[in-house]
Amino acid sequence: AQKITQTQPGMFVQEKEAVTLDCTYDTSDPSYGLFWYKQPSSGEMIFLIYQGSYDQQNATEGRYSLNFQKARKSANLVISASQLGDSAMYFCAMREGHTGNQFYFGTGTSLTVIP
Amino acid sequence: EPEVTQTPSHQVTQMGQEVILRCVPISNHLYFYWYRQILGQKVEFLVSFYNNEISEKSEIFDDQFSVERPDGSNFTLKIRSTKLEDSAMYFCASRPGSSTMNTEAFFGQGTRLTVV
Repeated sequence: AQKITQTQPGMFVQEKEAVTLDCTYDTSDPSYGLFWYKQPSSGEMIFLIYQGSYDQQNATEGRYSLNFQKARKSANLVISASQLGDSAMYFCAMREGHTGNQFYFGTGTSLTVIP
Repeated sequence: EPEVTQTPSHQVTQMGQEVILRCVPISNHLYFYWYRQILGQKVEFLVSFYNNEISEKSEIFDDQFSVERPDGSNFTLKIRSTKLEDSAMYFCASRPGSSTMNTEAFFGQGTRLTVV
């Protein structure tokens, strides 16, 4: 089974609107961390936001917030007030606390912000 | 701000040749990673390295691949006898040695490997 699933290969959003990028995960480890990365066309991987499995509140970081629904095993990224510079690939990733060091990545969602 | 540095940014090699991709992780980090991303596809885990040894590796990381930390700063990925399908962007990443989960991996800019 896939550890991380991103079901939206491509998304479009109007500038200044909000957009939600979906991510579901699969783990039996009670301790895990969920991460979102942005990959612009230049190729680098930029860390955006983190959510821990024991965190009681949804993570927020500026215009980025995470809609964490633990029972549904989903960790959707919400970008508010989209900007043209938000156009990029977005990857959801997970690291498990007890079973290893690696970060498992999803297949990514390509976001295009329309002026 | 400290960053992970990878060299070269682009490497072209002939099929069958050996390549070494170089990385300088952030200096106080203890966990090191290599990932690869075939153009437009998912980010695939290759190997993680901790305490001077491989801590995890994927099925992709077979005998064709090896990693080394030859000194206190460099972390290299060697690919022997390269194949066309090894063409990809290779990312090095590092993270601190914290036991908490909220430590993200810091990625380098990547090395684009093209095998011809």
